[in-house]
Amino acid sequence: GQQVMQIPQYQHVQEGEDFTTYCNSSTTLSNIQWYKQRPGGHPVFLIQLVKSGEVKKQKRLTFQFGEAKKNSSLHITATQTTDVGTYFCAALKAAGNKLTFGGGTRVLVKP
Amino acid sequence: GAVVSQHPSWVICKSGTSVKIECRSLDFQATTMFWYRQFPKQSLMLMATSNEGSKATYEQGVEKDKFLINHASLTLSTLTVTSAHPEDSSFYICSARDNRGADTQYFGPGTRLTVL
Repeated sequence: GQQVMQIPQYQHVQEGEDFTTYCNSSTTLSNIQWYKQRPGGHPVFLIQLVKSGEVKKQKRLTFQFGEAKKNSSLHITATQTTDVGTYFCAALKAAGNKLTFGGGTRVLVKP
Repeated sequence: GAVVSQHPSWVICKSGTSVKIECRSLDFQATTMFWYRQFPKQSLMLMATSNEGSKATYEQGVEKDKFLINHASLTLSTLTVTSAHPEDSSFYICSARDNRGADTQYFGPGTRLTVL
């Protein structure tokens, strides 16, 4: 079955620094979505990427979809304590309607 | 915005009993809903796809007779964990796709099940 690999599994970041989490699939994706889950909470939709090479920004978050539509990245600049949580990518396989979640990157911010 | 509710938010039950979890789309219709299970510090694992008016589609390794899914209306899907055992203790999350066409899934707040 389809697998979505996400790295790193954990990210300890000093407040104010930048970091990037990566998502990779062995198969071509129809689109990729990113979610954030706060501790004790449920996944909250952040963004969806559809086009090859697409780049979208949300304030300090920059999302990118690879040219081959097999990988994606989330870059956060000037990390804040409010960025704490687990960031999941979720892939929608071409011609499918099910999301396959990556393992998530658990982000801890050191003040 | 699209809101999905789940009830109950948490439940504690004795081993051998059955527990029903409800998932409702509050301000949109959802022909398709999904049920996920999440163990502590792990990712979401899709259990089944719930289709309004038809049988659910279960993922490999998920027992359909143990996890009964009913999607009787365009706004409600239920998951019943039958004869629950301690290994069924987990965080169960539903999501719903808006019938208006986007691929976005809206997640419910989750139900934490503890089986004693």
